[in-house]
Amino acid sequence: AQSVAQPEDQVNVAEGNPLTVKCTYSVSGNPYLFWYVQYPNRGLQFLLKYITGDNLVKGSYGFEAEFNKSQTSFHLKKPSALVSDSALYFCAVRVEGSARQLTFGSGTQLTVLP
Amino acid sequence: EAGVAQSPRYKIIEKRQSVAFWCNPISGHATLYWYQQILGQGPKLLIQFQNNGVVDDSQLPKDRFSAERLKGVDSTLKIQPAKLEDSAVYLCASSLVVTAGDIQYFGAGTRLSVL
Repeated sequence: AQSVAQPEDQVNVAEGNPLTVKCTYSVSGNPYLFWYVQYPNRGLQFLLKYITGDNLVKGSYGFEAEFNKSQTSFHLKKPSALVSDSALYFCAVRVEGSARQLTFGSGTQLTVLP
Repeated sequence: EAGVAQSPRYKIIEKRQSVAFWCNPISGHATLYWYQQILGQGPKLLIQFQNNGVVDDSQLPKDRFSAERLKGVDSTLKIQPAKLEDSAVYLCASSLVVTAGDIQYFGAGTRLSVL
């Protein structure tokens, strides 16, 4: 079985400060990891993914994420937060070689305060 | 490029009634997914199609939910009869291929309220 945990339901950060949204995972095998963002009344949008290679992955809108195998984590980061980054963020995992179920975490609501 | 289209956007029904949702994926995308997103939770996969064949429907409540993807293009998800706990947003997604690393593109969803 595979699972994703997002330990924080809510993250608040001041505009211009760095932000981190945490994600840990559990899979049997090598993980493929994803971050998606959801704005109100809209579907999920892909931000970035880790498949293999460099542990630091860069994605859309200045976001990046660091894969840490020993800690089974894939935290989302951004050096300087914008008010427009306020949204619901989801981490998701799949097992390498499996095209089946993408398992999502419960989501973290990010609020960037002006 | 047009995105994933879903209709209706909102639906309110009473319990025990039936309801259907429609999805048109991005042109050329072979794989189509239906997810259920309950408030405060992440999306949960209900069914995954590859062209018009089912890849995974292990979490689809088959006694009341059904889905089809005729001709390998658009898809319909049906609930009959609906229960209160079916209140959720139903998301459709599509991807070009079906590999572990493929990116899924989501529609805006249908918000279902069962009274």
